[in-house]
Amino acid sequence: GAGVSQSPRYKVAKRGQDVALRCDPISGHVSLFWYQQALGQGPEFLTYFQNEAQLDKSGLPSDRFFAERPEGSVSTLKIQRTQQEDSAVYLCASSTRGGSWTGRYEQYFGPGTRLTVT
Amino acid sequence: SQQGEEDPQALSIQEGENATMNCSYKTSINNLQWYRQNSGRGLVHLILIRSNEREKHSGRLRVTLDTSKKSSSLLITASRAADTASYFCATGETSGSRLTFGEGTQLTVNP
Repeated sequence: GAGVSQSPRYKVAKRGQDVALRCDPISGHVSLFWYQQALGQGPEFLTYFQNEAQLDKSGLPSDRFFAERPEGSVSTLKIQRTQQEDSAVYLCASSTRGGSWTGRYEQYFGPGTRLTVT
Repeated sequence: SQQGEEDPQALSIQEGENATMNCSYKTSINNLQWYRQNSGRGLVHLILIRSNEREKHSGRLRVTLDTSKKSSSLLITASRAADTASYFCATGETSGSRLTFGEGTQLTVNP
């Protein structure tokens, strides 16, 4: 079946613009994650959804970052008033499992959206 | 913040040789996972080893876990040029949702 898809694959924004990044998880996957990956670094956790509920948003770097998953499937990560330090690859992942023990299972990653803020 | 460190940061070998990458972490874990990332792509899950396991095999991959030293190693045997990628370890917490990744090892396998 289809894997996790993300769009757009590349986004260039001028500083101060708002951006919206989309993630389509694997159908039926309960859990959805967003990660931020800076150049040459490993991914860093941003936020986690179980179905439509955002259970952990402790990794969001500022209140300019907002994520939603209103119907428990597609998710959008929105960044308001983008700054140069927001330039990174934003990865979405999904997992079949939910609950407090989601970290015990493998995650399936999308190809990422590369955001460049000029 | 990153959970731990991987070494080496970069590794260059010839096809057919074995590649060993190491990962250290800081907190108690439920499991440790290894992922591969080709340039410009997302991460692909390779193998998961639970905290009560010491060694696991999958094809040409062998993973060990030493919870007393808070370290793991990934061995790729008989490497191929197609194994060229970045390899990341990630730890799953005993409870909680997130995976915490290391900084990765860039492996280059020369034909």
